[in-house]
Amino acid sequence: AQSVTQLGSHVSVSEGALVLLRCNYSSSVPPYLFWYVQYPNQGLQLLLKYTTGATLVKGINGFEAEFKKSETSFHLTKPSAHMSDAAEYFCAVTVHRGSTLGRLYFGRGTQLTVWP
Amino acid sequence: EPEVTQTPSHQVTQMGQEVILRCVPISNHLYFYWYRQILGQKVEFLVSFYNNEISEKSEIFDDQFSVERPDGSNFTLKIRSTKLEDSAMYFCASSEISGTVSGNTIYFGEGSWLTVV
Repeated sequence: AQSVTQLGSHVSVSEGALVLLRCNYSSSVPPYLFWYVQYPNQGLQLLLKYTTGATLVKGINGFEAEFKKSETSFHLTKPSAHMSDAAEYFCAVTVHRGSTLGRLYFGRGTQLTVWP
Repeated sequence: EPEVTQTPSHQVTQMGQEVILRCVPISNHLYFYWYRQILGQKVEFLVSFYNNEISEKSEIFDDQFSVERPDGSNFTLKIRSTKLEDSAMYFCASSEISGTVSGNTIYFGEGSWLTVV
């Protein structure tokens, strides 16, 4: 089975500062990795995903993440935080299963607070 | 943008009662899922559904749970006799079948809060 560890349940940054949310995964086979964001009172929205190919993936709202196999990491970054980035962020891992993806294994989530 | 819609957004039920949570997946999607998140815990997989049958289920998805696609648009999760520990946010999700697995993305709804009292 796969698993995800998100380091830091809460991260606080100032507006304009770098955002770094950490995610480490465990998988015995090549993983597919996702970051989802949950704004207050909303569902889970896909930010970005890594499946194959380029290890640096760009997502919506200026976020990007880099797949590092040697470090089993998929950290999420954004160069300059905006107040609207305040939300909970979930990292998830899955693997290929037949013609689609298997179940997603989620981390516990990281609550991002952005100070003015 | 197409989205997964869920009803109700919040339901309070008494222990032992049956609950049905409803979902309308994205129209051209063929894989459907239910996940749940107990307050303060991880989002957990419950079940996946394809071609009118369960394709995978977790150890959480016991005989108290069932899923159904009663028509061409709805996907439901039924909890037969609710327990206090079933209180959670339940997320429906759906996924298309693309030409490659790497093209697949799982889209989530906004969730249904279930409170069992």
